[in-house]
Amino acid sequence: QKEVEQNSGPLSVPEGAIASLNCTYSDRGSQSFFWYRQYSGKSPELIMSIYSNGDKEDGRFTAQLNKASQYVSLLIRDSQPSDSATYLCAVTNQAGTALIFGKGTTLSVSS
Amino acid sequence: EAGVAQSPRYKIIEKRQSVAFWCNPISGHATLYWYQQILGQGPKLLIQFQNNGVVDDSQLPKDRFSAERLKGVDSTLKIQPAKLEDSAVYLCASSWARGQNSPLHFGNGTRLTVT
Repeated sequence: QKEVEQNSGPLSVPEGAIASLNCTYSDRGSQSFFWYRQYSGKSPELIMSIYSNGDKEDGRFTAQLNKASQYVSLLIRDSQPSDSATYLCAVTNQAGTALIFGKGTTLSVSS
Repeated sequence: EAGVAQSPRYKIIEKRQSVAFWCNPISGHATLYWYQQILGQGPKLLIQFQNNGVVDDSQLPKDRFSAERLKGVDSTLKIQPAKLEDSAVYLCASSWARGQNSPLHFGNGTRLTVT
C-alpha cells in the first residue's frame, strides 16, 4: 500500500505569519499532487495542484514539489484565522487513476 | 453547476444492521468514487467507477460492503452487516474523467455511527 505521510499537528501560527505544511510520499511513480482543505465537519475542497518540480503560486498559497526527495509542501502567506482547517495532501498512484490521501495536518491561526 | 449530492447526511444504526448511502455526481462526470474517512484520518478510497464499471475496488471489504452505479450516473454504497469500526464519514466524489488532471469534487458526506 503506497503511503502519504503528514505531520498531524496541530500547527499553530499567529495571524499574518507564514504557515508551512509538509508531505512525503512513497510511490516514486506518482505524477500528480494535490492539497485539499477540510473544515471541521465539511468535505475536502481542492486548493492547489502541482505536477512538475518547483513552485506553483496561487494567491497566498504556494505549492512546492521535489520528486527526487518525494516531498510536497504548501506555504500559506499572511495566514488568516479563516485558514484554520485540516490540510490534506493527496498523491496519485503511478497509473494516475487513484488518489491517495495523507491523514492531514491541522492548522490553527490565532488572531 | 450543482455539486455532488449525497444522502442521508447522518445515519445511526446498531451493529449487524444494514445501511445504504446514495450519491448523485455532478452532471457529465464519468468517474465516481466512494471514500471512507474515519475521524482523524484522511479519506481512504473504497471503490472507483468509470461510467458504470468498477475500475478499483481493492480496498473495499467485499464481505460486507457492496456498491453499484447503475446507468453510469447515481451510485449506492451498502454495508451489511455493519460493524462498530464502520463508524466514519462516507464521502462520494466525482470527476469528469479518470486521470491526474481531473480534480475530484466531493459531496458533503454521510456520517455513519454504528452503536
